[in-house]
Amino acid sequence: DAKTTQPNSMESNEEEPVHLPCNHSTISGTDYIHWYRQLPSQGPEYVIHGLTSNVNNRMASLAIAEDRKSSTLILHRATLRDAAVYYCILRALNAGGTSYGKLTFGQGTILTVHP
Amino acid sequence: IAGITQAPTSQILAAGRRMTLRCTQDMRHNAMYWYRQDLGLGLRLIHYSNTAGTTGKGEVPDGYSVSRANTDDFPLTLASAVPSQTSVYFCASSDSNTGLTYGYTFGSGTRLTVV
Repeated sequence: DAKTTQPNSMESNEEEPVHLPCNHSTISGTDYIHWYRQLPSQGPEYVIHGLTSNVNNRMASLAIAEDRKSSTLILHRATLRDAAVYYCILRALNAGGTSYGKLTFGQGTILTVHP
Repeated sequence: IAGITQAPTSQILAAGRRMTLRCTQDMRHNAMYWYRQDLGLGLRLIHYSNTAGTTGKGEVPDGYSVSRANTDDFPLTLASAVPSQTSVYFCASSDSNTGLTYGYTFGSGTRLTVV
């Protein structure tokens, strides 16, 4: 599986934007970029995913570099509830385009949000 | 509320005892997974099932067994617990056949202590 590299930790102030980087220089053409987060004492939670184009949903935005070797998860206005570990994960799509490979978690980025 | 139910929430177990962690989902997802999470090691895949009636080994399967008799249930059994199996266990599911839209859904976890 292609590897991702994330900073161990980041800090933000409440109501400010947060940009969480992820490097994936060995990404292949069939790899989708997935982001999950894990709040304290909870299971991981799906945040967003994308392939080449930037993606937006109600939780966050995902900005993908043109060469796809890096991506950035953007939380537009951090809240205290966004304090969590954020995981950037590459998932390969099978040749038929019908199913993904399994999730393999790295260490993630611990995001601290200050009031 | 649709999702994954894990039981028990926590358990203290004597070494050598047999234990089954229960996992039930009501989303009709075809794929299910068991992960364990340990400090410093992150989330690691134990076993998975792509569809009812099939199972596969993940990264750390030794000492664990699973079965998938139907779509909804995916129990994890420790035949003879050892202290190194002290961990937080997460069950997850996904509709991998339409994975282009949905990610994994995780349960709230079972905290197991083997003494």
